[in-house]
Amino acid sequence: AQKITQTQPGMFVQEKEAVTLDCTYDTSDPSYGLFWYKQPSSGEMIFLIYQGSYDQQNATEGRYSLNFQKARKSANLVISASQLGDSAMYFCAMRDGPYGQNFVFGPGTRLSVLP
Amino acid sequence: EAQVTQNPRYLITVTGKKLTVTCSQNMNHEYMSWYRQDPGLGLRQIYYSMNVEATDKGDVPEGYKVSRKEKRNFPLILESPSPNQTSLYFCASSLTGINQPQHFGDGTRLSIL
Repeated sequence: AQKITQTQPGMFVQEKEAVTLDCTYDTSDPSYGLFWYKQPSSGEMIFLIYQGSYDQQNATEGRYSLNFQKARKSANLVISASQLGDSAMYFCAMRDGPYGQNFVFGPGTRLSVLP
Repeated sequence: EAQVTQNPRYLITVTGKKLTVTCSQNMNHEYMSWYRQDPGLGLRQIYYSMNVEATDKGDVPEGYKVSRKEKRNFPLILESPSPNQTSLYFCASSLTGINQPQHFGDGTRLSIL
């Protein structure tokens, strides 16, 4: 069965510093997609970044990058130059199945950015 | 504006009183799904639908029903709600395929007394 593990329930980072949020996954499918979402205190789910299992390069979107290590089954999110507005819950998720019908989330990491 | 709309946003009700949470999307997405979010557990999938008249159970389907009679709508039905269904619920939609991110509604906070 698919599974996503996020071992850091909470993280603190100083403003303007970089932070890495850990994510490991487990799937028997050779093709899958990995996603990160942000949930601010207002509650909405915001899509941040995507990495495909066959992508050769690590994904980047502005200040977000994904450190993808396929052999280790890890997909860590790196946020550079943290801002106060980055304080939120962050969820790692995986999509697999022949039609992408399976979508599973990790338990999340709460990031707090300190001024 | 492309969006997923859930209603109501908040609901307090009592055990056993049937309720429906509506979900509608305007992006012509084939795939729709429902999740519940509980502290420390992340989002857990309740049901998903690959297209009209095609629904399937997720990880926590007990106590819930869904229907997909039209492509844009995917209501979640609690026939006899119980207090353990108190949670934050999200509806989401996407195109099919492993590279497609899901687009989420704003969430519905249900309290079952």
